[in-house]
Amino acid sequence: SQQGEEDPQALSIQEGENATMNCSYKTSINNLQWYRQNSGRGLVHLILIRSNEREKHSGRLRVTLDTSKKSSSLLITASRAADTASYFCASGAGSYQLTFGKGTKLSVIP
Amino acid sequence: SAVISQKPSRDICQRGTSLTIQCQVDSQVTMMFWYRQQPGQSLTLIATANQGSEATYESGFVIDKFPISRPNLTFSTLTVSNMSPEDSSIYLCSVDREGTYNEQFFGPGTRLTVL
Repeated sequence: SQQGEEDPQALSIQEGENATMNCSYKTSINNLQWYRQNSGRGLVHLILIRSNEREKHSGRLRVTLDTSKKSSSLLITASRAADTASYFCASGAGSYQLTFGKGTKLSVIP
Repeated sequence: SAVISQKPSRDICQRGTSLTIQCQVDSQVTMMFWYRQQPGQSLTLIATANQGSEATYESGFVIDKFPISRPNLTFSTLTVSNMSPEDSSIYLCSVDREGTYNEQFFGPGTRLTVL
């Protein structure tokens, strides 16, 4: 089964800076999603990008998808302390099943 | 969106015992999923629970260790049986947002520590 990889594993930035996280996957997908997890709690869905899309925006979030490189990136602009969390990408291949990446732990310093 | 609750939120258990985790959804859903998240790791799908049929388990997970019930369209339980310290994890249930591409809603998780 495919296994996503995020990099970096951990990222520490100052409030107001932009945070960029990357994700790679191994097999064909029909969508790529990003989730946030605060302190080992449940995951919150952030954004979904379909395989025929290249870029998508939602508020301060910008997601790109490059299916030729099997990679995606999540950009959080003007970061806030409340953005401190772990971020996971998850790839969907057309069935109900999602395959999650290993996650990036983001720390935003006030 | 779906609102999902889990009980218990956390527990500390002794080796060899079993724990049943409950997952309640505020609306009827076809599929419910159970994930395990080991300390500092990503999520791994344990099984998919459909109402009225046996759960479908992923490779590496078996029914004897993780029996699942799905008595109706809003509720499911996962039991972690004969626990060992290696079972210490966060267990999460989720539901599929029907009509979308796999988007899932997650419960708050159950943090299990096995001594």
